[in-house]
Amino acid sequence: DGGITQSPKYLFRKEGQNVTLSCEQNLNHDAMYWYRQDPGQGLRLIYYSQIVNDFQKGDIAEGYSVSREKKESFPLTVTSAQKNPTAFYLCASSIAGANYGYTFGSGTRLTVV
Amino acid sequence: KNEVEQSPQNLTAQEGEFITINCSYSVGISALHWLQQHPGGGIVSLFMLSSGKKKHGRLIATINIQEKHSSLHITASHPRDSAVYICAVRETSGSRLTFGEGTQLTVNP
Repeated sequence: DGGITQSPKYLFRKEGQNVTLSCEQNLNHDAMYWYRQDPGQGLRLIYYSQIVNDFQKGDIAEGYSVSREKKESFPLTVTSAQKNPTAFYLCASSIAGANYGYTFGSGTRLTVV
Repeated sequence: KNEVEQSPQNLTAQEGEFITINCSYSVGISALHWLQQHPGGGIVSLFMLSSGKKKHGRLIATINIQEKHSSLHITASHPRDSAVYICAVRETSGSRLTFGEGTQLTVNP
């Protein structure tokens, strides 16, 4: 079955360390997105990519970096510059440039101690 | 003011009750999505609407484009419907989704 795989489900890191969250999809979707979810807030867009080797900043990109070397993969690195990295991170994908639905991953809960 | 507002924020119901969750938005949209998030965190897409009404099992979603309002209805609610329901809109100006804060639904047996 096609879908999005996020790994790991839970991640613990020490303050000051960079950490990379994985997102892989086998849906042949062009567009991929990273969102952050904090308690009591709606999902906020970190980065998105509509085509391989191209990506754009979302609303809260500071302290994060991404790459899109393959259509299937859109890893997110949470750098030490991100002031409040502890959050729930969701990856999503869709067919770009058209009014199609989105498929979401199961998320990664990152805790920085 | 958020571009997407949901009400209520929290809703508790008894099994079998009819439930309505509302979503209002302030921007021009090409589509509106209703999503379900279970305690584990994963999100499932329930509906994508650009006009009218859609039905899937006990779930019904409606949208009024002129009034910029959508509702999600659950008939004969069940404890397994307990989840966070999220409204999201895709603006006509781009491909991004803007999300509401979600409605926490608890259905008691």
